[in-house]
Amino acid sequence: AQSVTQLDSQVPVFEEAPVELRCNYSSSVSVYLFWYVQYPNQGLQLLLKYLSGSTLVKGINGFEAEFNKSQTSFHLRKPSVHISDTAEYFCAVNNYGQNFVFGPGTRLSVLP
Amino acid sequence: GAGVSQSPRYKVAKRGQDVALRCDPISGHVSLFWYQQALGQGPEFLTYFQNEAQLDKSGLPSDRFFAERPEGSVSTLKIQRTQQEDSAVYLCASSLLPQDIGQQETQYFGPGTRLLVL
Repeated sequence: AQSVTQLDSQVPVFEEAPVELRCNYSSSVSVYLFWYVQYPNQGLQLLLKYLSGSTLVKGINGFEAEFNKSQTSFHLRKPSVHISDTAEYFCAVNNYGQNFVFGPGTRLSVLP
Repeated sequence: GAGVSQSPRYKVAKRGQDVALRCDPISGHVSLFWYQQALGQGPEFLTYFQNEAQLDKSGLPSDRFFAERPEGSVSTLKIQRTQQEDSAVYLCASSLLPQDIGQQETQYFGPGTRLLVL
């Protein structure tokens, strides 16, 4: 069975500082990996996804993530965050014959 | 075009009441998913429709939960005899392709219905 771990439930960071949100997954087969963002009172919005090919994936709003198969990780990074990046971030995994499995989420708080 | 919409946005129910939550997916999207998101948690899969066919309902927590999509577009999630543990945000998502060929497809989420059972 698939599972997703997001070790950091909350990450506070100052504006314009870099940030990394960690995601680890477990699966016995190859997977597709996703990062979604949820702004207050809104639905989830796709940031980026890894399907195959280059392990460095670039997404919207300046975010990127790197797939590391040996470490079963898919950490999300941004070199300089803005106040508007304050939101909940969810890592998710999916593969053939399975359903999306989401992690518990990381709340990113960007401080002025 | 319009995204996924859900109604009502907020619902307060007394324990034991029945509730119905509506989802309007993106037009033309074949796949429709329902998720339950408890406070402080990630979304958890409830059920999946491919057009009007409910192909997976393995995530429905009890037989009090029922979902339908009779014409392959709008879907309704019904919860009978609501309990306090049903309090959560119920998210609907749709994607263009059937799940069996579209595992890599982006799911587009609605804003959710926040259900509070007193």
